[in-house]
Amino acid sequence: EAQVTQNPRYLITVTGKKLTVTCSQNMNHEYMSWYRQDPGLGLRQIYYSMNVEVTDKGDVPEGYKVSRKEKRNFPLILESPSPNQTSLYFCASSPVGGDFWSPLHFGNGTRLTVT
Amino acid sequence: AQTVTQSQPEMSVQEAETVTLSCTYDTSENNYYLFWYKQPPSRQMILVIRQEAYKQQNATENRFSVNFQKAAKSFSLKISDSQLGDTAMYFCAFRNYGGSQGNLIFGKGTKLSVKP
Repeated sequence: EAQVTQNPRYLITVTGKKLTVTCSQNMNHEYMSWYRQDPGLGLRQIYYSMNVEVTDKGDVPEGYKVSRKEKRNFPLILESPSPNQTSLYFCASSPVGGDFWSPLHFGNGTRLTVT
Repeated sequence: AQTVTQSQPEMSVQEAETVTLSCTYDTSENNYYLFWYKQPPSRQMILVIRQEAYKQQNATENRFSVNFQKAAKSFSLKISDSQLGDTAMYFCAFRNYGGSQGNLIFGKGTKLSVKP
């Protein structure tokens, strides 16, 4: 089954404790992206990647890191989480080029709470 | 930079009636795609409908249709015969054609409640 898998689905942590949210897709998609969703703000892009070893900042990259060492994986790293990073996070993927018509495939989301 | 605006934070409709959600966007590009996504309480993101900018004909998917006005940069979603299962957040989204500008940009969403 074609899917984007995010883990964990729920995470509660404390300020300053490094964490990683994993994202993996099995569709051989070049494009992957991370979004955070906050009430009244919609989905805002954190980082995106057009292919392996190619990453770029979105609209709200501060406090986050990503890496794209393999095509299928795109982990989101919070080196020193703070309470303002409490949010719902989504990973998404799609083909690129002429297939931009294709919709994004989304993971099921990760609800992160930083206390 | 491209922006997407959804001016209705919340809407409600009676079951079986028709409702229209508005969306406007700002871009200087000529080739792009527009999408409506639905997010039910399960928080899953589900594609509802999509439109290519170069196509004048409005997209339709069963009870869902769009009114795409390219010159006005407007992309509204019409839901006919509303059902209780249509209760969800609806996000309008914009995507440039190709290159590094191919990011999906979302509006802030409209919370739709369908009442029995």
